[in-house]
Amino acid sequence: NAGVTQTPKFRILKIGQSMTLQCTQDMNHNYMYWYRQDPGMGLKLIYYSVGAGITDKGEVPNGYNVSRSTTEDFPLRLELAAPSQTSVYFCASSSHRSQETQYFGPGTRLLVL
Amino acid sequence: GEDVEQSLFLSVREGDSSVINCTYTDSSSTYLYWYKQEPGAGLQLLTYIFSNMDMKQDQRLTVLLNKKDKHLSLRIADTQTGDSAIYFCAETGIYGNNRLAFGKGNQVVVIP
Repeated sequence: NAGVTQTPKFRILKIGQSMTLQCTQDMNHNYMYWYRQDPGMGLKLIYYSVGAGITDKGEVPNGYNVSRSTTEDFPLRLELAAPSQTSVYFCASSSHRSQETQYFGPGTRLLVL
Repeated sequence: GEDVEQSLFLSVREGDSSVINCTYTDSSSTYLYWYKQEPGAGLQLLTYIFSNMDMKQDQRLTVLLNKKDKHLSLRIADTQTGDSAIYFCAETGIYGNNRLAFGKGNQVVVIP
């Protein structure tokens, strides 16, 4: 199993541009998550999904959108990039069991200039 | 709401023990977790503890949970250079749906 994969690894955007961060997992996990990590801070939850077709807002959803058309994929969309969205983005997945850990992807480093 | 607090930086000599602390202020967490993040990588689960336990030992790792004081600690015995990383505690809290609340992380630097 590849686990959780994310693309791209690094991207520079201009203010106002849009992009989609891709996330795929091959563990047949129902739950998937998007976090952002800012320097010196923990992870903040952007959006999460408990299954295909279901998404919910996390702590910091403004400026982002997600979709979950399949169990495997959970893309994160930035429509109008802003400097405040400069961050490292992590995708994660977990099974339905409450004690099951979240498995994290390697992250996407985004710089908005 | 959830508020997970961690101290920021710890340096330790190779071979010594290191202790990382975490407190939380408002929780009905079932599980509490310790994650490790190496430079340029995602988070990796180190260990977790069920809320009705006081202690859990896993090889060089010892987790202590004081539920009364809402205090969680991670002790790493015989610290190695490969233990240099950022360590995050996390709790399930009241979110449900497997959501986690993370602390800000504690950077551990192991000095050879």
